[in-house]
Amino acid sequence: RKEVEQDPGPFNVPEGATVAFNCTYSNSASQSFFWYRQDCRKEPKLLMSVYSSGNEDGRFTAQLNRASQYISLLIRDSKLSDSATYLCVVNTNAGKSTFGDGTTLTVKP
Amino acid sequence: GAGVSQTPSNKVTEKGKYVELRCDPISGHTALYWYRQSLGQGPEFLIYFQGTGAADDSGLPNDRFFAVRPEGSVSTLKIQRTERGDSAVYLCASSSGTSLYNEQFFGPGTRLTVL
Repeated sequence: RKEVEQDPGPFNVPEGATVAFNCTYSNSASQSFFWYRQDCRKEPKLLMSVYSSGNEDGRFTAQLNRASQYISLLIRDSKLSDSATYLCVVNTNAGKSTFGDGTTLTVKP
Repeated sequence: GAGVSQTPSNKVTEKGKYVELRCDPISGHTALYWYRQSLGQGPEFLIYFQGTGAADDSGLPNDRFFAVRPEGSVSTLKIQRTERGDSAVYLCASSSGTSLYNEQFFGPGTRLTVL
């Protein structure tokens, strides 16, 4: 079993839709959590950190459930430009990040 | 300002050859990371440096892989006796520290193809 697991998708949604991704992690000692975005054939870029209390950045909301060991990302009012692969990242030790294999989102007009 | 840069952007080599991949981090970033990404998968951790020293090299797959950062800035990932299974995109990232909460800034990667 992988340390960080994501549904690979693809998720195909119309513009304006709300879509949610989940990510589960196996190491209960994990301490920090992130969502990165990766466009096709480009490098990953930080989308947002994930805090225990949940956090929001515009149309994006991230939540962490430590008891169930999962992280979620909610995207509201999807835009064409949201089409990308979303990578869940978990840090257990400083300096060592474990990435999921990503969830692919395609937003269609 | 300048981001993380990696050279070459593409490298094609033959099985058994030696390759070096270079990473130039963001100026002032003390932490540097190497990852390997295969098609359809997320980046896989290889090694990270804090300053000049390799603080965690547990992700290096075997002793054919080695990385250095002699002056605490530029890093080189070295692969000896390359195998076809080494073909992947090699990503470098840097951050201003190795706190669990620091953002990592990635370079564009080096696409390695071993024939």
